[in-house]
Amino acid sequence: DTAVSQTPKYLVTQMGNDKSIKCEQNLGHDTMYWYKQDSKKFLKIMFSYNNKELIINETVPNRFSPKSPDKAHLNLHINSLELGDSAVYFCASSRSTGKAGNTIYFGEGSWLTVV
Amino acid sequence: QKEVEQNSGPLSVPEGAIASLNCTYSDRGSQSFFWYRQYSGKSPELIMFIYSNGDKEDGRFTAQLNKASQYVSLLIRDSQPSDSATYLCAVYSSASKIIFGSGTRLSIRP
Repeated sequence: DTAVSQTPKYLVTQMGNDKSIKCEQNLGHDTMYWYKQDSKKFLKIMFSYNNKELIINETVPNRFSPKSPDKAHLNLHINSLELGDSAVYFCASSRSTGKAGNTIYFGEGSWLTVV
Repeated sequence: QKEVEQNSGPLSVPEGAIASLNCTYSDRGSQSFFWYRQYSGKSPELIMFIYSNGDKEDGRFTAQLNKASQYVSLLIRDSQPSDSATYLCAVYSSASKIIFGSGTRLSIRP
């Protein structure tokens, strides 16, 4: 069974459209994340939720809105897509307790291409 | 100064040799340190973590941490072509965030 699963894996869409990426984890973790990896492979945190509460909100345009209906799910909605949004978006999760509990486990990634 | 810095590479190492990957971090309050491996087109996967000064060994991999120097490294012994990948250093900072370096691309030549 996939521990952190996200859909869709590939997404090609036009500028100005609105799209969502869904993520689910079955590890029983309390914390979930969205990371963005650009063309230079730099992996940058966007958001983090702990038990449905937003705890990290990096400098991300307001067009990006995360939503966590429960601690096993974290979705990402993007409004008015721009060319610069093209990237790989990784969902991830971790236990939030203890030093080793901070280990992040990643989903397979969602390749977003805006044309 | 970047929060987590790595040499982007590529680092080319002959098969069977030791590959040495380095990482420095700026937040002295950082608590945990991680090494991830990422193959092209795949997601990062955890190799190992370390949070105490010194060495930690797991199979062919050894992580080394020096908090005074704010330096963490990964040694890969008996390098194999399958070790060719991008290696990401990650740090759990005092701001309760896991911050990644930009990665070092490692190439093992047969």
